[in-house]
Amino acid sequence: QLQESGPGLVKPSETLSLSCDVSGYSVTKGYYWGWIRQSPGKGLEWIGSIYHNGITFYNPSFKSRVTISVDTSKNQFSLNLISVTAADTAVYYCARVGGAYADRTVLTGYCDYWGPGTLVTVSS
Amino acid sequence: QSVLTQPPSVSGAPGQRVLIPCSGSRTNIGAGYEVHWYQQLPGAAPKVLIYANDDRYSGVPDRFSGSRSGTSASLVITGLQGEDEAEYYCQSYDNSLSTWVFGGGTKLTVL
Repeated sequence: QLQESGPGLVKPSETLSLSCDVSGYSVTKGYYWGWIRQSPGKGLEWIGSIYHNGITFYNPSFKSRVTISVDTSKNQFSLNLISVTAADTAVYYCARVGGAYADRTVLTGYCDYWGPGTLVTVSS
Repeated sequence: QSVLTQPPSVSGAPGQRVLIPCSGSRTNIGAGYEVHWYQQLPGAAPKVLIYANDDRYSGVPDRFSGSRSGTSASLVITGLQGEDEAEYYCQSYDNSLSTWVFGGGTKLTVL
């Protein structure tokens, strides 16, 4: 099971920080883990993914603003998105990546387990 | 505007067959990247139905099937049931954008 947590309201220009608690499975056991968001205006968007050793892949659209990290001691991974605007208002999902293929620059796969999602609103 | 194109809506009567197309280009589906399909019920997270073009995920009824050809992919649902009423999304990878890409979603209405 995956469960997102974090503030539901973030002010413009501030940082959006979310965590994903993973239960029933160790984040170190050979899967990538990722963040996807869904907004009415842009549908589903992959933000990025991380492996337990810290290897990350990011959507270039977010690359300058996003950091995904993993804490193996807590069995969780996190999302930080800086300088948010109203366009970052969305439901944010954490997920496990199944069927992953990764090389130096490419990560492909699909999400086979999802958290229930958490709505983050960017507003003053 | 989504990189992968899906019709906004499709409909069918119970027991019928519906096809949901997903149109891409030579930088995603046409480049050979796998296509995956998700079902999203209202208020819930997406759930994978089909992965790697045509593999049915564990527990998914065999009424659901997927295929890929050229720059397009399709999800077919046979023997439509009321519980199939949901939004369906395709997903792949695009090597020009260097990111996962999703279709805009298709709302299936069971008449």
